Amino acid sequence: NAGVMQNPRHLVRRRGQEARLRCSPMKGHSHVYWYRQLPEEGLKFMVYLQKENIIDESGMPKERFSAEFPKEGPSILRIQQVVRGDSAAYFCASSPSDSGRTNTQYFGPGTRLTVL
Amino acid sequence: AQTVTQSQPEMSVQEAETVTLSCTYDTSENNYYLFWYKQPPSRQMILVIRQEAYKQQNATENRFSVNFQKAAKSFSLKISDSQLGDTAMYFCAFFNAGGTSYGKLTFGQGTILTVHP
Repeated sequence: NAGVMQNPRHLVRRRGQEARLRCSPMKGHSHVYWYRQLPEEGLKFMVYLQKENIIDESGMPKERFSAEFPKEGPSILRIQQVVRGDSAAYFCASSPSDSGRTNTQYFGPGTRLTVL
Repeated sequence: AQTVTQSQPEMSVQEAETVTLSCTYDTSENNYYLFWYKQPPSRQMILVIRQEAYKQQNATENRFSVNFQKAAKSFSLKISDSQLGDTAMYFCAFFNAGGTSYGKLTFGQGTILTVHP
């Protein structure tokens, strides 16, 4: 059973460009979460999605950031007009559909975004 | 809102010895879960152990065990027989199983653990 997949692992963008980060959850998982880790810090929650629905986006900046989890395909975290402060590691996690187990989140390897 | 505090930025231990990492949290909730995750130099986040707040028994996973003190809101991780591969950043995390913040993990700042040969 493959784990959570994220791609690309490393992404370099110039200021003003767009960054698209992809996450494929573990098989059988329909809950996806995105977290951001700035250098030397812990992970900070950004957004929680289920298939075709955003459940909680309280941790995501209101401008330039968006997330989706379509019925088919991976979850996408999109950052428009990137700035240097967006440089960070972005982690995706997934959890099962069963409500008794949805509290355990399994993480992907992360995408390291560098903005030049 | 929940907060998670790890007061030890760095710890070190000799191989085969035992080390304890501290974590305290603040919440008004009763239904929650606590986790320890490990982040080695590869940056992958690896689940180490999980504790349900309603269980009095401390969770154990092989060489890893926790000391969960609900009244004191303390959740420490004990690593026995430390191995070189245990060298990593360790994060304590809180999950609220109810209420409006359901779904998000709140992480502490992390503790860098170095195991010396």
